[in-house]
Amino acid sequence: NAGVTQTPKFQVLKTGQSMTLQCAQDMNHEYMSWYRQDPGMGLRLIHYSVGAGITDQGEVPNGYNVSRSTTEDFPLRLLSAAPSQTSVYFCASSSGLAGVETQYFGPGTRLLVL
Amino acid sequence: KNEVEQSPQNLTAQEGEFITINCSYSVGISALHWLQQHPGGGIVSLFMLSSGKKKHGRLIATINIQEKHSSLHITASHPRDSAVYICAADSNNDMRFGAGTRLTVKP
Repeated sequence: NAGVTQTPKFQVLKTGQSMTLQCAQDMNHEYMSWYRQDPGMGLRLIHYSVGAGITDQGEVPNGYNVSRSTTEDFPLRLLSAAPSQTSVYFCASSSGLAGVETQYFGPGTRLLVL
Repeated sequence: KNEVEQSPQNLTAQEGEFITINCSYSVGISALHWLQQHPGGGIVSLFMLSSGKKKHGRLIATINIQEKHSSLHITASHPRDSAVYICAADSNNDMRFGAGTRLTVKP
C-alpha cells in the first residue's frame, strides 16, 4: 500500500490564483481530513469527511473547499489564494471515526502564496 | 486560551534520561492522540487512547479523563527520539492540536 499520498510536495502561487491540493489513500479508509500547520500555531483542522459524499467544516474552513466523490480521494481547493494561506498542508485518513482509529498522515504539501 | 496545552514547549535531554511531556485539554473528547513529527516533517501516529495507559516499546502514554490530562513518557531516551511531539484532542471528529513539544536528545 502507498498509504496516504499528497501532491504536489511544494507549490508557489500568486495572490488570487486557484489550485487544488490532491490527497489519495489506498487503504479504503472512510475518514479523511485536511490540516494546515503554521509556526507557533500547531496543526489546525480545515475540513473533514466521514465517507464519500459527506464533508464537514473544521476549525479553519474559510477560503477552502472540499469534495469527496470517491472513498480514495479528498482534494482541497483554494479558490483565490491569499498570503495568509501560506502554510504546510497535511492530509490524513483513518478507517473509522477519528476518535476510534489511528490516523495516517500524508507527507505534506508546502504552499507559498506571494 | 488554547483548548489543548502542551508543556514544555522545548525539552533537551541527555541520552538515557526519562522524559515526560504533558498535555492538558479543555474540550470533551472521544480520544486523545499523540503524534510524532520527524525533523523532515513527516507525521506518525504514536498512540490513540481514551482511558488508562498504553505502551509501545519505550513509549508510554497515560490519560486521566477526570483531570483532562495526558502524559507521554519516553524511557531510556535516544537521539533518534529527537522530534516534535504533538497531542491532539478528538471531539466527535473535530481535532484540536497542541502546539507541540520539541524534544532534542543529545548523545
